[in-house]
Amino acid sequence: GAVVSQHPSRVICKSGTSVKIECRSLDFQATTMFWYRQFPKKSLMLMATSNEGSKATYEQGVEKDKFLINHASLTLSTLTVTSAHPEDSSFYICSARREGLETQYFGPGTRLLVL
Amino acid sequence: TQLLEQSPQFLSIQEGENLTVYCNSSSVFSSLQWYRQEPGEGPVLLVTVVTGGEVKKLKRLTFQFGDARKDSSLHITAAQPGDTGLYLCAGGLSGNTGKLIFGQGTTLQVKP
Repeated sequence: GAVVSQHPSRVICKSGTSVKIECRSLDFQATTMFWYRQFPKKSLMLMATSNEGSKATYEQGVEKDKFLINHASLTLSTLTVTSAHPEDSSFYICSARREGLETQYFGPGTRLLVL
Repeated sequence: TQLLEQSPQFLSIQEGENLTVYCNSSSVFSSLQWYRQEPGEGPVLLVTVVTGGEVKKLKRLTFQFGDARKDSSLHITAAQPGDTGLYLCAGGLSGNTGKLIFGQGTTLQVKP
């Protein structure tokens, strides 16, 4: 199989604090991981592409200094939401992809609520 | 800008009915993936199709990739309440960027 985990599954934080979300591929090495944001009853919106050992590529309109991405190993990528504000409240989902294959396997998502 | 138009966006049917979801684009995709997502969870891969004209079956679900690799359909036979969820199609871009273009999603409700 291709299992991807995310931690935490839910987080509530105060406005102005930073939150780190971890994405791990448990049974395969992921050269590329992706971070998405999803609004209620909507499709996924790609935020950034994360490649192991290099800087992430951000989609247009996504602030790289606000959404810090680190992909330090072939099984772990992290997304840090810095100085979170209520409008950052959302469902964040990561996915991982094996090198050479197009299929992405998704994590279970992280529900972020900023008060 | 590559777009993947998915329709219908909402579908409410009775148990036992058949349905088809469509994804269409003017762009050619190297692959097409279908996912199903339940509330509060991540999308779960149903199938990946890569060859134009390819048809894959998964129990009561039939997936087809268009000959020109610009469109795809998902047909569900004799829908059951357990099929309820958000169905997403996603097209893979050539050039091995790994990025997927997602359709808008189809929210399916199957009533018992």
